Amino acid sequence: AQSVTQLDSQVPVFEEAPVELRCNYSSSVSVYLFWYVQYPNQGLQLLLKYLSGSTLVKGINGFEAEFNKSQTSFHLRKPSVHISDTAEYFCAVRFQGGSEKLVFGKGTKLTVNP
Amino acid sequence: GAVVSQHPSRVICKSGTSVKIECRSLDFQATTMFWYRQFPKQSLMLMATSNEGSKATYEQGVEKDKFLINHASLTLSTLTVTSAHPEDSSFYICSARWSDTEAFFGQGTRLTVV
Repeated sequence: AQSVTQLDSQVPVFEEAPVELRCNYSSSVSVYLFWYVQYPNQGLQLLLKYLSGSTLVKGINGFEAEFNKSQTSFHLRKPSVHISDTAEYFCAVRFQGGSEKLVFGKGTKLTVNP
Repeated sequence: GAVVSQHPSRVICKSGTSVKIECRSLDFQATTMFWYRQFPKQSLMLMATSNEGSKATYEQGVEKDKFLINHASLTLSTLTVTSAHPEDSSFYICSARWSDTEAFFGQGTRLTVV
């Protein structure tokens, strides 16, 4: 079965601390991987994506993610967070060869405290 | 990145009435548009996929007659919630894509049915 799992529903951290938001997927086919951020009452903004090539992907706002095929993971990291990073983060997967839709994880609420 | 505009951002309607939500791709031609529904503190649930000039493909469990989707042009898709009821209150988000890999999201519409 094809699925996307975000292991942590909430992640509280202090400002300037590093953070990792975890994402695992289950698939028997190749995948495209995405991380989106959502601020309250807004749509989704693309942080970064992995389509092919280098497994370390750099995105906007200082975020990066690493595709690990053997562990079927695509964890999101930032070395030093800001208060403004407080938001909901969604991992999404598009499974190649199937339908066109994105499958989203349940989301991780990142709260950055002063 | 490409811009997708969704209108209105908020709407309140009376129970039993219909409401239309527009999704426009402002600087590209969207061959495919997607409509999602998001309940509070939950992930996005795909409602339907629409391709320009053809009927929308609805996900299992989504009522076609209640959620009417029209994708009449390459830059506009509309979602009409017919005979709305309080349980239809939700956050609706559209996304649009022209390439095979990446979709861009609108800012969402908060629908409240009273």
